[in-house]
Amino acid sequence: GAGVSQSPRYKVAKRGQDVALRCDPISGHVSLFWYQQALGQGPEFLTYFQNEAQLDKSGLPSDRFFAERPEGSVSTLKIQRTQQEDSAVYLCASTTRRGGTGELFFGEGSRLTVL
Amino acid sequence: KNEVEQSPQNLTAQEGEFITINCSYSVGISALHWLQQHPGGGIVSLFMLSSGKKKHGRLIATINIQEKHSSLHITASHPRDSAVYICAVTREYGNKLVFGAGTILRVKS
Repeated sequence: GAGVSQSPRYKVAKRGQDVALRCDPISGHVSLFWYQQALGQGPEFLTYFQNEAQLDKSGLPSDRFFAERPEGSVSTLKIQRTQQEDSAVYLCASTTRRGGTGELFFGEGSRLTVL
Repeated sequence: KNEVEQSPQNLTAQEGEFITINCSYSVGISALHWLQQHPGGGIVSLFMLSSGKKKHGRLIATINIQEKHSSLHITASHPRDSAVYICAVTREYGNKLVFGAGTILRVKS
């Protein structure tokens, strides 16, 4: 597609459920980022991939969060045993350049609500 | 103290007014981004700067590397400019973006 695509757009989970959020970046984009945006806050960095390599996962809040990009294109963010504090919009962004020095293209986000 | 500070947090303007949003940062950077986020919508990149000034339509972004400060200006503001404007920086060493908290802009007709 022409832009970064994320799915699902909305996800409601019961506390304790596992969820998987998908990001389909723009074809050929080397770098992929995941961010978490709580209501009324700016986005917070979660993790960064350069092709299939996860070069920085320092922002993942706990070991319940796991991200992968096995073939260097589509990425999945998995949250195990969801908690209410995980409720947020999860944003994916991609860029042609390594790191955050290129123009960023964001997806619409996946809004997760944990009940 | 946050590494990226934006001001003001909220801004209400009358249609046609000239608007300035400020961003200060405290770390060495390789790039600074201005982003726009509409309610319920995704984020759109407006500018990426490493020096000087850029202009796109009614939007102008400037950066002063020595003072660690950037401004986003909107000329002849319009209600459709109403959105959250976010400043983000790429640290000089590393990959992750550090975001400001955003400025909520409302332009009234």
